Amino acid sequence: GENVEQHPSTLSVQEGDSAVIKCTYSDSASNYFPWYKQELGKRPQLIIDIRSNVGEKKDQRIAVTLNKTAKHFSLHITETQPEDSAVYFCAASENLIFGKGTKLSVKP
Amino acid sequence: DVKVTQSSRYLVKRTGEKVFLECVQDMDHENMFWYRQDPGLGLRLIYFSYDVKMKEKGDIPEGYSVSREKKERFSLILESASTNQTSMYLCASNLRGRANTEAFFGQGTRLTVV
Repeated sequence: GENVEQHPSTLSVQEGDSAVIKCTYSDSASNYFPWYKQELGKRPQLIIDIRSNVGEKKDQRIAVTLNKTAKHFSLHITETQPEDSAVYFCAASENLIFGKGTKLSVKP
Repeated sequence: DVKVTQSSRYLVKRTGEKVFLECVQDMDHENMFWYRQDPGLGLRLIYFSYDVKMKEKGDIPEGYSVSREKKERFSLILESASTNQTSMYLCASNLRGRANTEAFFGQGTRLTVV
């Protein structure tokens, strides 16, 4: 089955800096890669996703890149703000196998 | 407004009890999922279902079973609750094989087994 590794487990940045979270997956048949954000005490919510026929996707300050050959994908957040502080999860495949999460802290 | 609803927010059960966690979605989604969330371990898939009466094991199915008799409802069953099943349980649902496969999560059930 699919296995997803996510790094780093914690990330602390200054407000305005960029943040990058990386994930690798094992199943070359996976073709769907979403990212979810979970704020403290709340349910996870989709922030961006990418399919395997696309190499990069952007939505305002967030972007996701995908390298199918290397089986890794990354979340990029630019101009970070305190409200970006949360746990971020990557996932692979339509069966939604998640990584272990990255706790992002943005310091004002 | 899409909605995934879990029957309980907090639950306390005794060791050995049979426990039912219920999840209902009103979006006519084919896929439904059960995860448990523990600090440092992320969201671990217990079971998922892609259709009525269909189920597939996830990464940690031991000690759990599921039931999906109707499309909108997916139940997680702890046959004999144990203390190591104390956790946050999250249900989710999404469309199968479509362009938009955003998954929507329930609010979670925090289960404590004593």
